[in-house]
Amino acid sequence: GAGVSQSPSNKVTEKGKDVELRCDPISGHTALYWYRQRLGQGLEFLIYFQGNSAPDKSGLPSDRFSAERTGESVSTLTIQRTQQEDSAVYLCANQPGTADTQYFGPGTRLTVL
Amino acid sequence: DQQVKQNSPSLSVQEGRISILNCDYTNSMFDYFLWYKKYPAEGPTFLISISSIKDKNEDGRFTVFLNKSAKHLSLHIVPSQPGDSAVYFCAASYNYNQGGKLIFGQGTELSVKP
Repeated sequence: GAGVSQSPSNKVTEKGKDVELRCDPISGHTALYWYRQRLGQGLEFLIYFQGNSAPDKSGLPSDRFSAERTGESVSTLTIQRTQQEDSAVYLCANQPGTADTQYFGPGTRLTVL
Repeated sequence: DQQVKQNSPSLSVQEGRISILNCDYTNSMFDYFLWYKKYPAEGPTFLISISSIKDKNEDGRFTVFLNKSAKHLSLHIVPSQPGDSAVYFCAASYNYNQGGKLIFGQGTELSVKP
């Protein structure tokens, strides 16, 4: 497709389990971001990939969170030993170049029971 | 530390009237500002942006105003339409042209009543 896609669209998991969220970016878009939105709150920056540069991980809330991206392709966000406060919508965004607008995926709604 | 704030969680406006959404920021180094619109179950979509060298940018019914001395920006929608009902996020960035990340506000839910 032409847009950013994310999978799964919904994920329900038990506390303590690991989850992996996937983002399929727009082809050729160099920059990729992960955000999360907790209920009633704004978009919280998590991590940023730009080409082959070292990722900006300054927004990751704890060492249970990690993300990978190979080149300009798929990115995965992994949350280990999930906690209830991890429940949120996780959004991926692409940017064609550094000065362009971001295009968001539909998000993955994560619910940790 | 909330660098970008939208103090109104919701706003209700009559169709045809003006909607004014406000955003305040604390970091004077921000050099680029954007507004995004978000419908339920969808990702945010870009609406309009403004560079810190300007004080106004207009695109159809949407105008963004930037007041750097007050560290305040606003989005005006005129005339408002029911289809404008959504959550609006403002975002700011430092060094955006070199890949600076966006910092988002909490969002304002706009409801335009027919």
